Amino acid sequence: AQTVTQSQPEMSVQEAETVTLSCTYDTSENNYYLFWYKQPPSRQMILVIRQEAYKQQNATENRFSVNFQKAAKSFSLKISDSQLGDTAMYFCAFDYQGAQKLVFGQGTRLTINP
Amino acid sequence: EAQVTQNPRYLITVTGKKLTVTCSQNMNHEYMSWYRQDPGLGLRQIYYSMNVEVTDKGDVPEGYKVSRKEKRNFPLILESPSPNQTSLYFCASSFYRGNQPQHFGDGTRLSIL
Repeated sequence: AQTVTQSQPEMSVQEAETVTLSCTYDTSENNYYLFWYKQPPSRQMILVIRQEAYKQQNATENRFSVNFQKAAKSFSLKISDSQLGDTAMYFCAFDYQGAQKLVFGQGTRLTINP
Repeated sequence: EAQVTQNPRYLITVTGKKLTVTCSQNMNHEYMSWYRQDPGLGLRQIYYSMNVEVTDKGDVPEGYKVSRKEKRNFPLILESPSPNQTSLYFCASSFYRGNQPQHFGDGTRLSIL
């Protein structure tokens, strides 16, 4: 069975700092996908970034980038120049070809302080 | 606008009183799913549907029912709600499973007293 672990329940940084959220996963699949979702206080689930396992290049979306280490089964999210609007719960999630669901980590509550 | 619509957004009710949370998507997605979110546990799948009249259990199906009579709708039914079903619920949809990212509704906060 696939598992996703986020070992940081809460994090807090100052505005404009860089922060890295950790995620590890366990799977025997070769063809899979990893996601980071953001859940602000409004409760929406917003897709932040996505990585295909077969791609060696780390995904980037503006201030958000990932460090994908396939051998180590690690998928961390880096937020550069953090903004107050980045305050949210962040979920790491795993999917694979033929799966019937996303497997989520426990979440990391990130607070950006002014 | 492409969206997944859940109703209600909030509901407080009492043990044993049947309730239905509706979910509708306008993207012609085949796949739909229900998740519940609990502190420290992330989101866990309750039920999913691969297409009309095709549904199956997820990881935590006890106490829930679903139906998929139309492609766009996937209601979640709690026939006899209990306090342990107090949670935040999300409906999601996508084109047929694979590498398609899921689109989520805005969530329904259920409180069962």
